[in-house]
Amino acid sequence: EAQVTQNPRYLITVTGKKLTVTCSQNMNHEYMSWYRQDPGLGLRQIYYSMNVEVTDKGDVPEGYKVSRKEKRNFPLILESPSPNQTSLYFCASSWTGGWNSPLHFGNGTRLTVT
Amino acid sequence: GNSVTQMEGPVTLSEEAFLTINCTYTATGYPSLFWYVQYPGEGLQLLLKATKADDKGSNKGFEATYRKETTSFHLEKGSVQVSDSAVYFCALSADFGNEKLTFGTGTRLTIIP
Repeated sequence: EAQVTQNPRYLITVTGKKLTVTCSQNMNHEYMSWYRQDPGLGLRQIYYSMNVEVTDKGDVPEGYKVSRKEKRNFPLILESPSPNQTSLYFCASSWTGGWNSPLHFGNGTRLTVT
Repeated sequence: GNSVTQMEGPVTLSEEAFLTINCTYTATGYPSLFWYVQYPGEGLQLLLKATKADDKGSNKGFEATYRKETTSFHLEKGSVQVSDSAVYFCALSADFGNEKLTFGTGTRLTIIP
């Protein structure tokens, strides 16, 4: 089954404790992206990757890191989480080739930073 | 910059009612327009899309027409069901080379039997 898998689904952590949210897709998509969803703000892009070893900032990259060492994986790293990073995070992927390619989303990771 | 303005929710309707969720956009160039749906506890799924002016996207009884003159992409369904209860997001893509979606804030729809 074609899917984007995120782990964990729920995560509670404390300020400053490094964490990683994993994302994996099995559709051989070249494009992957991370979004955060906050009430009243919709979804905002954090980082994206057009291909292996190619990553770039989205609209809200501060406090986050990503890597793309393999085509299928795109982990999101919070080196020193803060309470304002409490949010619902989504990983997404699609074929490359422009804006006509719909995004496939994972089921989300709800992060709470205390 | 690009932006999407969506009808404020929540919206509550009775089963078989007519649904309209308004969406207007601001973008440079010729964006593609999308409606995504998010069911409880799940990620977003593409519901329908339109890639040029006057295109009509349709799926599962939902429709939306890309109106360039009014910069709108309103979502409609003639007869809603309880299973349509979800959060609906209007979005546009106009950043060639990124494929970034710019989302509206979402509209929560609840259908009462």
